[in-house]
Amino acid sequence: AQKITQTQPGMFVQEKEAVTLDCTYDTSDPSYGLFWYKQPSSGEMIFLIYQGSYDQQNATEGRYSLNFQKARKSANLVISASQLGDSAMYFCAMNRYNNNDMRFGAGTRLTVKP
Amino acid sequence: DTEVTQTPKHLVMGMTNKKSLKCEQHMGHRAMYWYKQKAKKPPELMFVYSYEKLSINESVPSRFSPECPNSSLLNLHLHALQPEDSALYLCASSQPDRDQGSEQYFGPGTRLTVT
Repeated sequence: AQKITQTQPGMFVQEKEAVTLDCTYDTSDPSYGLFWYKQPSSGEMIFLIYQGSYDQQNATEGRYSLNFQKARKSANLVISASQLGDSAMYFCAMNRYNNNDMRFGAGTRLTVKP
Repeated sequence: DTEVTQTPKHLVMGMTNKKSLKCEQHMGHRAMYWYKQKAKKPPELMFVYSYEKLSINESVPSRFSPECPNSSLLNLHLHALQPEDSALYLCASSQPDRDQGSEQYFGPGTRLTVT
């Protein structure tokens, strides 16, 4: 069984600073994908970034980067230069190759302060 | 285009009503999903359709009935719901067979209230 853990229920960051949201996972499968989603108060889940288990380099998408440490089974999201619009709930998720069963962590609520 | 649309945005229904939620995607994805999300909780997987066939049913009560008429459309038929079924219902789609897992693209959701 796969399990995703986000230990930070809430985080605060000053506008324009960087913030790291933690995510650890547990799986016995060698092939899997790791994802981060943003959910604003409107409710829509917005896909941010993806990391494959065999990818050698950390994924980056604009201001988002994923700090992938496979041996530690961690996949932390780094948001650089925070903006007020980054205030939202952030979910870490994973699924396995050829399996559509995506599982989500409990989420971290990020608040960006002006 | 990474858009998944859902209708209606809001739905209020009584416990004896029958209603349907609709989801549509035009990204050529062959897997579609229904999730239920309660306030301040992560989404919980309900159903997965892969190539228009039901592949995962997470022991969802029979008062929820999914339907996949074609590769672009996904419905969720609701009948005799309970107040505890009030939640945000999210639809998503993805390519099902990509190596190392596939990202899912979500619709805006339907906020359901059962009275």
